[in-house]
Amino acid sequence: QVQLVQSGSELKKPGASVKVSCKASGYTFNNYNINWVRQAPGQGPEWMGWIHSNTGKPTYAQAFTGRYVLSLDTSVNTAYLQISGLKAEDTAVYYCARKSLCGSSACYGAFDLWGQGTLVTVSS
Amino acid sequence: QSALTQPPSASGSPGQSVTISCTGTSSDVGGYNFVSWYQQYPGKAPKLMIYDVTKRPSGVPDRFSASKSGNTASLTVSGLQPDDEADYFCTSYGGTNVLLFGGGTKLSVL
Repeated sequence: QVQLVQSGSELKKPGASVKVSCKASGYTFNNYNINWVRQAPGQGPEWMGWIHSNTGKPTYAQAFTGRYVLSLDTSVNTAYLQISGLKAEDTAVYYCARKSLCGSSACYGAFDLWGQGTLVTVSS
Repeated sequence: QSALTQPPSASGSPGQSVTISCTGTSSDVGGYNFVSWYQQYPGKAPKLMIYDVTKRPSGVPDRFSASKSGNTASLTVSGLQPDDEADYFCTSYGGTNVLLFGGGTKLSVL
């Protein structure tokens, strides 16, 4: 079955770190890049960045530099999002999403497979 | 760059059509043909409904169509059905390392 399965909910204190995993199955992991999207409660989504599934090279949106690290472990078909120095405003659902392959089009923003989301709650 | 602007809500009766707008700028929606639309049920992950402004992925009903004029993209849902009731988000490429989302529109089927 083609799917992305994310790790479970996390409750963290301010200043702590969290690492969210996103395990792919049912397709060739190296053929599709992985993006990450944050959705705060009651808000629209925000694109955080993406990681190249072959090279492991991450690219970050401007608002997500510094405390955020995207990484891969291709041996287990898994992508990771690590956030350090957690703040209350990091409380959100974090999604990994597979970038579509669209033939000759770059189809930016087309994500055809999503993980179920991981709720990260930051509270003292 | 700011998020794209969507109306917070839209509604229609079963069988009717409803159109949801997504307004950006010439640096994003108006500058590229990379607008996507997503459907999201509460507590669920988004589902891709439209990409590259007008293209439907396999499996998406042709009741869902989309277009763009200038800096505004639009999603039209025809023949409204009860399970179309969901949140809808637009996205647009905004240049290198920029992908913007709209704030979302809650579609109600009355």
